[in-house]
Amino acid sequence: ILNVEQSPQSLHVQEGDSTNFTCSFPSSNFYALHWYRWETAKSPEALFVMTLNGDEKKKGRISATLNTKEGYSYLYIKGSQPEDSATYLCAFHSGTYKYIFGTGTRLKVLA
Amino acid sequence: NAGVTQTPKFQVLKTGQSMTLQCAQDMNHNSMYWYRQDPGMGLRLIYYSASEGTTDKGEVPNGYNVSRLNKREFSLRLESAAPSQTSVYFCASSERGSPYTEAFFGQGTRLTVV
Repeated sequence: ILNVEQSPQSLHVQEGDSTNFTCSFPSSNFYALHWYRWETAKSPEALFVMTLNGDEKKKGRISATLNTKEGYSYLYIKGSQPEDSATYLCAFHSGTYKYIFGTGTRLKVLA
Repeated sequence: NAGVTQTPKFQVLKTGQSMTLQCAQDMNHNSMYWYRQDPGMGLRLIYYSASEGTTDKGEVPNGYNVSRLNKREFSLRLESAAPSQTSVYFCASSERGSPYTEAFFGQGTRLTVV
């Protein structure tokens, strides 16, 4: 069973702070790494799909980097806002029709 | 633009009862998935269907069966519900099952087995 780990499990930051969290995944049989944003009582929504070593993606104040050789990806949020409060999931795809999800990082931004 | 629709949204079952969770997508996706989400466990794959007519076991298939009724619909059946199956169930779909395409999720079904 492939293991995808995310850290920290949860964190609280003040509005305006920047923050980042980590997704660790197997470095072999890598095809893609996905990031999802999951708000309470809603369904997960895709943020980024990352495929190449050294890839960087950005959407507004949220960005992500990818290191496939060492098996990690970072998600950064610049100037956190209360509406950024959500669980951020990463999912590893090894090309076998299925996504393997991490347990998520639960972010709470305090106003 | 419905996307992925799951029914029901909530269900309470008694131990031993059976039920089917329904999922339909209107995006013409080939691949569909059923996940369960438990506290501290993340999303765990129960079954998936790479394309119409095929189904495969995921990480936690015991106690479940699935049917890919057609390209749009993928149902999950609990034949004899157990308290350990209390969970939130998510259906998802993706285009072709490609690693490079995102998965789209339904709103979830919160199931309680008493």
